[in-house]
Amino acid sequence: GENVEQHPSTLSVQEGDSAVIKCTYSDSASNYFPWYKQELGKRPQLIIDIRSNVGEKKDQRIAVTLNKTAKHFSLHITETQPEDSAVYFCAATLNTGNQFYFGTGTSLTVIP
Amino acid sequence: EAQVTQNPRYLITVTGKKLTVTCSQNMNHEYMSWYRQDPGLGLRQIYYSMNVEVTDKGDVPEGYKVSRKEKRNFPLILESPSPNQTSLYFCASSAEQGATNEQYFGPGTRLTVT
Repeated sequence: GENVEQHPSTLSVQEGDSAVIKCTYSDSASNYFPWYKQELGKRPQLIIDIRSNVGEKKDQRIAVTLNKTAKHFSLHITETQPEDSAVYFCAATLNTGNQFYFGTGTSLTVIP
Repeated sequence: EAQVTQNPRYLITVTGKKLTVTCSQNMNHEYMSWYRQDPGLGLRQIYYSMNVEVTDKGDVPEGYKVSRKEKRNFPLILESPSPNQTSLYFCASSAEQGATNEQYFGPGTRLTVT
């Protein structure tokens, strides 16, 4: 099956700086890569996703890049704010299925 | 309001006592899944269902059962819970493939098995 690795496990940045979280996957057939944000005590919520026919996708301060050849994808958060503090999970799946493989999460702390 | 609900939200039980965690969605989603979340391990898929009466094993199905008799409900059954099943459990649903794959998660059920 698919194996998704996520780094770093913890990340602290100053408010206003950028944060980058990286994930690698093993199954070249995976073609859908979502990112979820989980605030303390809350449920995971989708913040951005990318499909394998696209190399980059942006939504305001967040962006995701995908390198299919190297089998890795990254989440970029610019101009970080304290409310960005949360655990972020990457995931990989086949578009035709519903079997999701999640990374182990990155705890992001934005220091005011 | 579109939502995924789970019950109970918190449960403390003893080893071997059968329990069921219910999950219901009101979005007419075809796909439903169960995950467990453990520190340092992220979210691991237990079972998923692509339609009524169609269920498949995820990464960690041992010790769990599911059923999908109705589109809106996807209960998780622990026939004989053990302490290693102490975890935070999330149910999720998503719409038909080809549209967005966004999964909508329930609020979570924190289970403790003593």
